[in-house]
Amino acid sequence: DTEVTQTPKHLVMGMTNKKSLKCEQHMGHRAMYWYKQKAKKPPELMFVYSYEKLSINESVPSRFSPECPNSSLLNLHLHALQPEDSALYLCASSQDFFRRGYTFGSGTRLTVV
Amino acid sequence: ELKVEQNPLFLSMQEGKNYTIYCNYSTTSDRLYWYRQDPGKSLESLFVLLSNGAVKQEGRLMASLDTKARLSTLHITAAVHDLSATYFCAVDVSSSNTGKLIFGQGTTLQVKP
Repeated sequence: DTEVTQTPKHLVMGMTNKKSLKCEQHMGHRAMYWYKQKAKKPPELMFVYSYEKLSINESVPSRFSPECPNSSLLNLHLHALQPEDSALYLCASSQDFFRRGYTFGSGTRLTVV
Repeated sequence: ELKVEQNPLFLSMQEGKNYTIYCNYSTTSDRLYWYRQDPGKSLESLFVLLSNGAVKQEGRLMASLDTKARLSTLHITAAVHDLSATYFCAVDVSSSNTGKLIFGQGTTLQVKP
């Protein structure tokens, strides 16, 4: 298995809702990442987990809450989002910090209404 | 502040022509990545360049890295319509405690018949 799987592919949520994005990989990668990509912009790093511990939080608002329950799974919990949070959320994984490449998932297209 | 700058940002070219996309970056790094993104889709890894002077080719695309000049190029040979997409370079600024990609703005390539 050489893929990073993200679910759901599309999500529409209200500003008072709580939802979660899920990311899974079975490549044995020990580093996992959340990126946010707005339309016609490059991806921007949000969080990095290494060996299931949060190692980077790029000053992301607390309405985004990451979780890494095990080495294969990464979640992003969403609460009280704003319309400007609408974006493509990409998960990625890599072997470790001296990796040879990052594998990106297909993304979750999030719309906040 | 680390900057990764691509140029051009938009490129319209005829099929069969050659062109080069440039990626300049402002910090020391010996790991640079090229990705392709189709509209509404995730990032597809094209090349991983790991050392000064690295050159990689796949089909009509060839990428190179000059770490001393902090410059990478993506050369397109005899473009075809299927190459129409947005191309991102990304610099790996990882140290022993981080894992982080900084992306260029992206170059949108449009290949006309």
